[in-house]
Order: sequence, then C-alpha cells, then structure tokens
Amino acid sequence: GAVVSQHPSWVICKSGTSVKIECRSLDFQATTMFWYRQFPKQSLMLMATSNEGSKATYEQGVEKDKFLINHASLTLSTLTVTSAHPEDSSFYICSARDPASLGYTFGSGTRLTVV
Amino acid sequence: GQQLNQSPQSMFIQEGEDVSMNCTSSSIFNTWLWYKQDPGEGPVLLIALYKAGELTSNGRLTAQFGITRKDSFLNISASIPSDVGIYFCAGQLRTNAGKSTFGDGTTLTVKP
Repeated sequence: GAVVSQHPSWVICKSGTSVKIECRSLDFQATTMFWYRQFPKQSLMLMATSNEGSKATYEQGVEKDKFLINHASLTLSTLTVTSAHPEDSSFYICSARDPASLGYTFGSGTRLTVV
Repeated sequence: GQQLNQSPQSMFIQEGEDVSMNCTSSSIFNTWLWYKQDPGEGPVLLIALYKAGELTSNGRLTAQFGITRKDSFLNISASIPSDVGIYFCAGQLRTNAGKSTFGDGTTLTVKP
C-alpha cells in the first residue's frame, strides 16, 4: 500500500530557531498533503492543506508566517516551524491521499520539543 | 466547524472480550474512517466507509456507517493485548477537499 515517510521522527531545538519537517509520498504522487498537530492525549487538529505548486491553505487560527509550508514537488511537502517557542512543542503528522485506493495514509509523525 | 463526539473516552477490558465504540456528529459526513494510533506513531487506517448503511469488516474489526450519515460505530471482537491503543474516528465531506475531522479518541486497554 501507499507509504508516507516523515522525517525527522523527533527533534529538539532551542527557542528562536527554525525546524523543518519533511513529508514524502514514497510510491505515489500527492498533489495534496495535510499537516496535523497533536498535543498529548488529544486528537489530531488539522493545521493546513499543502497544495503542490500553489499556496497552502491554513485553518483558522494557524499562523501562516509561523508554520511555513512548501509543496515543491508531487512527492514532497515540508513544514517549517519558524522562531520556535516551547508552546510549539507537539507531535506533527502529515497525511496524503493515495490515488489508487482513495484512502489517506499518515506519516509516522515528528515529535518536536522546543527548549 | 463540524465536531465529532466519540465515546467512550477510555475502556479497560479483559482479553477475549468484545469492544464497541462510536462517533456521532451534528451534521452529515460522506465518508467515515476509523484509525488506530500507537504511542509515538501516526494513525493507521483500519476501515473506511463510503456509503450510508455500509457494514465493513477487517478481520476482528467491524464498522458501520450510520443510516443518518451522522454516526458510525466500530466493534472489535475477541480482543487481544495488541489491540491496545487509541482509536479515532474521522469524518470527511466530499465538498471539503478531503479534510478529515477527528473525534477525540477512545483509549483501549486490554488486560491479559
């Protein structure tokens, strides 16, 4: 089945620095990818929809200048958390739609800790 | 936006018992999805439901898309220790560009 690879699986960074998270569709092309954020013991909250070749669509309340999304190719979307603060510490997960099955496959997530 | 109410929030059961959890929404969805998430991992799709009334099985798992399109349930039969995890329902609207709205999850603990 479809595989979505997310990297890194965990990262620790200092406050004020930026962190880039990559999401790759390994065996299919994804014109659309989704980025979610999950706090401990909570559900997944959609942050933005990443569109290949165009601007991402952000959900209400998500700062687009803080969470930069780039979908430069049909197999790669990146999320950059800029000027990270401790409150940005969370589990970030991407997903993409497999055109063969019409199902959505999730990456394995990135645990971000800002110290 | 749309919200899903998922229940129960948590379950503690004995190995071999059957489990049932459900999700309800105040508005309709075109697709209902059930995922399982292990600690530190992304959710894994268990069952996808595309039609009202649809009943679908995947091994010991059975899920149904409610007739009203506003609810869905997931049953697990003869639970085993590896069923432990958090189960999420998610709904999608055809008109919403594939975005999923997730329930709050049901944490399942299975005692051997």
